[in-house]
Order: sequence, then structure tokens, then C-alpha cells
Amino acid sequence: SAVISQKPSRDICQRGTSLTIQCQVDSQVTMMFWYRQQPGQSLTLIATANQGSEATYESGFVIDKFPISRPNLTFSTLTVSNMSPEDSSIYLCSVRLLGGIGYNEQFFGPGTRLTVL
Amino acid sequence: AQSVTQPDIHITVSEGASLELRCNYSYGATPYLFWYVQSPGQGLQLLLKYFSGDTLVQGIKGFEAEFKRSQSSFNLRKPSVHWSDAAEYFCAVGEPEYGNKLVFGAGTILRVKS
Repeated sequence: SAVISQKPSRDICQRGTSLTIQCQVDSQVTMMFWYRQQPGQSLTLIATANQGSEATYESGFVIDKFPISRPNLTFSTLTVSNMSPEDSSIYLCSVRLLGGIGYNEQFFGPGTRLTVL
Repeated sequence: AQSVTQPDIHITVSEGASLELRCNYSYGATPYLFWYVQSPGQGLQLLLKYFSGDTLVQGIKGFEAEFKRSQSSFNLRKPSVHWSDAAEYFCAVGEPEYGNKLVFGAGTILRVKS
């Protein structure tokens, strides 16, 4: 398995500002994913972040709004830019392990609860 | 496009009673199937997974799930529910050709009454 931490755990932000969420993993991982969970909703994939390449965004999500960095195999950041109240959600980082019996499993961080006023 | 359906938004069971949460998927090939649990204010925890082989899989916390290809289902079961099982449960399908990107169902909220 993998131990995943996210910072911050929660934040309250003003509209028009930006927030960067950090995801740290205790082991090297091939793929990291960022999900959004809007209030009362299921999880929606925002993008897949591979080390050394540009993130791949899902339909409805764009890099200008959700820029992602993946500088190494254990760390990634997601920025929520120019926030509006509609961005109020839980943002979750997940990882797919590099090889081993957990190769096809994804493990999730605790999430970042964002409220935009 | 692949999709996951969890037809029950809420389920309430008595403590000690059996539980079955339904999950149906739409996917062309044999999917990778997962059940996750999310307790209030917590992240997602993997309960169990199916990749291939035995269609009845055992997971943590006494949960099991059965893959039925003919019904495109992967229902989650537990013979005796505990109050601590109250949480939201998500079924998910992994897409092997897309690096196992997960598609989630809408979730089922389980309430346990004493």
C-alpha cells in the first residue's frame, strides 16, 4: 500500500484567488490522479499526472483552471485558479503503485476540503 | 463509454443484519472492479478488488463481492453489519487501456440502526 498525505486538509478561500494543494506519497509511483468530489456527489477525475510530462486532463477540465505539477515520483500539486463558489469541493489525490501486487490498485489521500466564499 | 450504476442512493439496515449493495457496470471487456468506502470526513479506503480468477472476492472488514459477468454486476455483501460500517460506499471500474483510470458510481450511503 501507500501512505498519502495532502496539504492543506481544508481551507476557506475568497473568490478570485487561487489555492495550491500538495500531495505527498511515501513511495515512488508511476501515476498520480487528481479527483474532485462536489458536495453530495461522486468522484470525478480531473487529470492524470505523470512524472516528466504534461498532465492529461479529462473532458470539462482545463490546464488554465487546474494547473498540475509533478516534479518527481513522490509529489504532485494541483492548483485551483481564479476560484468561484462552484469550486467548493473535496479534492483528492490518488496514486497507482509502481509494480508489485498493488500494481493495479489506486490508493487515495485524505482529501482537501475547499470552501470558496 | 463505460459507466457504473449504483441504484441505491441510501440503504438502512439494522445492526447485525445482512447487507448487499448493488453495482452494475457498462464496459466492453473484463473490467477491473473495486469497492471503496468513505467515512465522514475521511478519504477513500479500498475494501476489495477483482481483476480475474475466482469471481467471489474477499475484502477487509468482513466484506465480500461477487463478479457476475452475465449480469454485469459486482455486488458488495456483508453477513452481519456493525454500526461502524455506516459510511458511503463507492463502486468503481478501472480501465486497463487508460492506465487504470477509475470511473466511480454515484455512491450508496449506508445507515445502520441499532
